Amino acid sequence: GQNIDQPTEMTATEGAIVQINCTYQTSGFNGLFWYQQHAGEAPTFLSYNVLDGLEEKGRFSSFLSRSKGYSYLLLKELQMKDSASYLCAAQYAGNNRKLIWGLGTSLAVNP
Amino acid sequence: DGGITQSPKYLFRKEGQNVTLSCEQNLNHDAMYWYRQDPGQGLRLIYYSQIVNDFQKGDIAEGYSVSREKKESFPLTVTSAQKNPTAFYLCASSESYEQYFGPGTRLTVT
Repeated sequence: GQNIDQPTEMTATEGAIVQINCTYQTSGFNGLFWYQQHAGEAPTFLSYNVLDGLEEKGRFSSFLSRSKGYSYLLLKELQMKDSASYLCAAQYAGNNRKLIWGLGTSLAVNP
Repeated sequence: DGGITQSPKYLFRKEGQNVTLSCEQNLNHDAMYWYRQDPGQGLRLIYYSQIVNDFQKGDIAEGYSVSREKKESFPLTVTSAQKNPTAFYLCASSESYEQYFGPGTRLTVT
């Protein structure tokens, strides 16, 4: 199968750092997306990793290990507005342009 | 501005009625998608289309139908055969792999 696993819920404190993990099946894997979704709104693109390593974009960074089937999203200097659901999605060869989505990690940032 | 529009944002229907949700994009993307999202759940693919006049069933196509007569438009019909139609419906489009989402339509069927 092409299951995507990520934690259901996480809690963190304003100003802190949080890491959201995602694991996926490695067979046929091409690349991995992270999206942010605030309640009642559409998902918005955060990052796309194809190669191993860490990619940094301001307060958000995303890491990929292709051999381990593992990715994480790192959020630094957390703000209240970062409270949202974070969706991990993998793209596989032969799936046309379909993505396989995780169920999302609901992050609550507390003062 | 380029983007994806879905209307209306909220839609209410009586059980037994078919309802069509609109999705329009001016991004010139070939591929379009319909997802359903239930509370606390991830995105489940209903139908997708790689090109005009062609579409494929996703994971939960039963009770839904689509058409793709124009590149810009990919309407979704929720039929009376769909057992639990109340949900948040998201339309997306893509040129390669990154998907761009519309604002969504929250459908309530009573």
